[in-house]
Amino acid sequence: GQQVMQIPQYQHVQEGEDFTTYCNSSTTLSNIQWYKQRPGGHPVFLIQLVKSGEVKKQKRLTFQFGEAKKNSSLHITATQTTDVGTYFCAGRSGGSNYKLTFGKGTLLTVNP
Amino acid sequence: DGGITQSPKYLFRKEGQNVTLSCEQNLNHDAMYWYRQDPGQGLRLIYYSQIVNDFQKGDIAEGYSVSREKKESFPLTVTSAQKNPTAFYLCASSIATTNTGELFFGEGSRLTVL
Repeated sequence: GQQVMQIPQYQHVQEGEDFTTYCNSSTTLSNIQWYKQRPGGHPVFLIQLVKSGEVKKQKRLTFQFGEAKKNSSLHITATQTTDVGTYFCAGRSGGSNYKLTFGKGTLLTVNP
Repeated sequence: DGGITQSPKYLFRKEGQNVTLSCEQNLNHDAMYWYRQDPGQGLRLIYYSQIVNDFQKGDIAEGYSVSREKKESFPLTVTSAQKNPTAFYLCASSIATTNTGELFFGEGSRLTVL
């Protein structure tokens, strides 16, 4: 079955440093989504990427979808303490309208 | 406010007892899902439902059961057959008309089996 791998599992940074998490799928994806889960909270949708090579920005966050639609990345510029949480990627393969496969997530901690 | 409500938030049960977790949504979404989250394991799909009176097994359905008698409700029963039921359970919903719908999650139910 489809597998989605995410690295690193943990990342600790000093406030102001950049952060990147990477997501790789064993199969070609029709789209990929990113979610953020604050400690003790529930996942909240951040963004969806659909097109090959797509790049989207949300303030300090930059999301990329690979040309082959098998990998994606989330980059945060100049981290802040409010960025703390676990970031998950989740991919859908073609033909499966409803089933998202989640990566295991990257836990980001930020030292003020 | 529109959203997803899960209850209870915390639940303790003895081994061998069945437990039912409630999930209600007022977003008028067709699709609903149950995920299980364990530390370091991400979210794993238990069951999902695309429409009322229909549901499909996810990746880890063994020991769980669901029903979808109403569009708004998708309760999950954790049966005594589930070997390791202690976990954080998340319910979600999405618009089912396309394959690009985002998931809206409830606040979760944390089940501890003693």
